[in-house]
Amino acid sequence: NAGVTQTPKFQVLKTGQSMTLQCAQDMNHNSMYWYRQDPGMGLRLIYYSASEGTTDKGEVPNGYNVSRLNKREFSLRLESAAPSQTSVYFCASSEEGGSNQPQHFGDGTRLSIL
Amino acid sequence: GNSVTQMEGPVTLSEEAFLTINCTYTATGYPSLFWYVQYPGEGLQLLLKATKADDKGSNKGFEATYRKETTSFHLEKGSVQVSDSAVYFCALRRGGTALIFGKGTTLSVSS
Repeated sequence: NAGVTQTPKFQVLKTGQSMTLQCAQDMNHNSMYWYRQDPGMGLRLIYYSASEGTTDKGEVPNGYNVSRLNKREFSLRLESAAPSQTSVYFCASSEEGGSNQPQHFGDGTRLSIL
Repeated sequence: GNSVTQMEGPVTLSEEAFLTINCTYTATGYPSLFWYVQYPGEGLQLLLKATKADDKGSNKGFEATYRKETTSFHLEKGSVQVSDSAVYFCALRRGGTALIFGKGTTLSVSS
């Protein structure tokens, strides 16, 4: 079972470049999320999508955009990368049905901005 | 607002030692509580969960009990192994919202 698949796994960018991080899930989940993980900060929510066609800002949305392309795919775009966006990015998905549903995570994209 | 506080690490133990990682939370209402584990170079995996007061979640020898009176969800294991070395995250979820994570606790177990 693939679960949540993220591409690429690693990426190095120069300041000002743009790129899109891809995420796809095969569990038929309605909700999808993007987090960033920084040392000593835990995981912080960037954006989430409660269902196809909807997206909402999380705790740290500045500098990012998202697209819920269909039920399976949720992409994260950096329009003009900055060194402060160097981080590990995780995509997650979950069932609906209230707070007792866990989230399932991909293996992450390790992004360095020079 | 909702938040999670967990003990700072790193926690360094010898194999077969007893493990406790403290986690307390602040939340309105009745959140669900989770422990996730992250092995080096990997994503987060659900370790266990509890969805109401006095529930005990358990998996792979790890346990945690949802204590509403102390707003705590401490992770315990009776005898750790080298393979348990990882980063452990406590998290809560309230309603259909995203998870709120603690900052993570690094566990290092030596043989």
